[in-house]
Amino acid sequence: GAGVSQSPSNKVTEKGKDVELRCDPISGHTALYWYRQSLGQGLEFLIYFQGNSAPDKSGLPSDRFSAERTGGSVSTLTIQRTQQEDSAVYLCASSLVHSATNEKLFFGSGTQLSVL
Amino acid sequence: RKEVEQDPGPFNVPEGATVAFNCTYSNSASQSFFWYRQDCRKEPKLLMSVYSSGNEDGRFTAQLNRASQYISLLIRDSKLSDSATYLCVVNILHTDKLIFGTGTRLQVFP
Repeated sequence: GAGVSQSPSNKVTEKGKDVELRCDPISGHTALYWYRQSLGQGLEFLIYFQGNSAPDKSGLPSDRFSAERTGGSVSTLTIQRTQQEDSAVYLCASSLVHSATNEKLFFGSGTQLSVL
Repeated sequence: RKEVEQDPGPFNVPEGATVAFNCTYSNSASQSFFWYRQDCRKEPKLLMSVYSSGNEDGRFTAQLNRASQYISLLIRDSKLSDSATYLCVVNILHTDKLIFGTGTRLQVFP
């Protein structure tokens, strides 16, 4: 596709359930990022991939969060045993290369996660 | 102290006005800087990068002050369509993180 695609666009789940969020980056983009944004808040960095590897996982809020990327393309963010505080919009972004001086991120439209 | 701080606003300005936002950052090792724009319930989009010498793109001017650790965004001749939240973004040397501020909300009225 032409842009970053995320699915599902909306996810309502019960507390304690596991959820999996998917991100399809722009074809050819080697860098992929996950952020989350709570209502009225800024973007909280979660994790970054260069290719299939994630050099820095320190942004993940707890060990209930994990992410992987396969084939240098699709990424999944998994949240186990969801809690109400996990409710937020989860945004994925990709960029052609990871370059600190020229970081143009293209964002997907996000997954709105609601934990009841 | 937050790594990137912005005045949340809102800044309410009439069409045609000039408005400026500042953003301060705490880490002196910050290397590169950007302004993103986020419309209500939409994803952020890159507005412009911020270069050391300052840069201009049409009605938008971005400046960097390393000594005082802030960046600014100036919008001239505001349009209704400029209404959005403007996010300040900072990359810290030797990290993989782009740190986003919480944003400054601009509302341009007729």
